[in-house]
Amino acid sequence: ETGVTQSPTHLIKTRGQQVTLRCSSQSGHNTVSWYQQALGQGPQFIFQYYREEENGRGNFPPRFSGLQFPNYSSELNVNALELDDSALYLCASSLAGTGAGETQYFGPGTRLLVL
Amino acid sequence: KQEVTQIPAALSVPEGENLVLNCSFTDSAIYNLQWFRQDPGKGLTSLLLIQSSQREQTSGRLNASLDKSSGRSTLYIAASQPGDSATYLCAVKGAGNMLTFGGGTRLMVKP
Repeated sequence: ETGVTQSPTHLIKTRGQQVTLRCSSQSGHNTVSWYQQALGQGPQFIFQYYREEENGRGNFPPRFSGLQFPNYSSELNVNALELDDSALYLCASSLAGTGAGETQYFGPGTRLLVL
Repeated sequence: KQEVTQIPAALSVPEGENLVLNCSFTDSAIYNLQWFRQDPGKGLTSLLLIQSSQREQTSGRLNASLDKSSGRSTLYIAASQPGDSATYLCAVKGAGNMLTFGGGTRLMVKP
């Protein structure tokens, strides 16, 4: 059983650019959630995808968008980058509908720095 | 809007001490509460998950309790070790399929 993986591990962009972050979910999981964690703070929920459809969204502007693919991997896209977008971006996968609390398993994260 | 608070924000203890980390949440309509560990610059490792119908969960030296009616959870770490040094985060799952996290407690266990 493979864990959650994310790529790239680190990324530097400049204001106004666009970025795509990638996540491969744990084997057998059908749900992917994305979180933004600013330095020294807890993660903030961005959105969740279940079977290729957005299934919940936090308080983030539309320039944060995502995709989930048939193999349940996912992308997070951020347009028009701002300095405040600098953060650790975490992906978590889970298996919806298990009735077992749906533990979310987190990847190692992508650290994005916007200059 | 759910808000999760963790106290203390930072804690430094000598090795061997038993310690308690606190988590409080404002909306008791939760499905579950989860405690995570985060090492510097790393992702999150799930430690314990407590369903809304449960009162506590145990794993090794860790014990987490949940009092949903009062909006509180505690994580008890017995016989702390330097390897326990990390940030501990609690998160509640409510409506909207989202986890709401607290700000974390940074724990340092000194040899």
